[in-house]
Amino acid sequence: EPEVTQTPSHQVTQMGQEVILRCVPISNHLYFYWYRQILGQKVEFLVSFYNNEISEKSEIFDDQFSVERPDGSNFTLKIRSTKLEDSAMYFCASNPGRGGWTEAFFGQGTRLTVV
Amino acid sequence: RKEVEQDPGPFNVPEGATVAFNCTYSNSASQSFFWYRQDCRKEPKLLMSVYSSGNEDGRFTAQLNRASQYISLLIRDSKLSDSATYLCVVNGGENFNKFYFGSGTKLNVKP
Repeated sequence: EPEVTQTPSHQVTQMGQEVILRCVPISNHLYFYWYRQILGQKVEFLVSFYNNEISEKSEIFDDQFSVERPDGSNFTLKIRSTKLEDSAMYFCASNPGRGGWTEAFFGQGTRLTVV
Repeated sequence: RKEVEQDPGPFNVPEGATVAFNCTYSNSASQSFFWYRQDCRKEPKLLMSVYSSGNEDGRFTAQLNRASQYISLLIRDSKLSDSATYLCVVNGGENFNKFYFGSGTKLNVKP
């Protein structure tokens, strides 16, 4: 069964460093998303991406964040200068984007720890 | 007002109990609705989509009331393995720009 894959599963970084979280969405899907979940809190929307551009972003997704689809398969989230409060689980998701009752498919997540 | 609201729980129930989760959403233009399950420190996984006519999958029944903007999930004959957090998820509007998550309701099924 096709699945969304994320790497790495766990990333530890020092405050102020740049991190890149990687995702390979399901191959024929058209919409891609990043969500985050701070430990013990709800899943929060960060950004959606369609047709090689950002479709929508939340207020969390400020200038420190960027997304890219550098080739036909990868979808990355970059955090330019990490803060302690960026520590969270980051989930990538994808959606076929073609009508009907289609759900979002989630990757296993990357646990980001900023120290 | 939050896009999707759920009772945070936790719901502590014995094995075999019937438990109901409720959810309300604010955007009347929302097109699709889902229940996801999330185990501790894992990714959300689709439990079931919610259709206007209501739908059932084994012990799980989902209902949608568009007029009241209300979604429900009923679990019958609950098992220990049902212990998890149940997330109400709503597709926000006419396209696939955003899936809104409720805060989740934690279920603990006890022996």
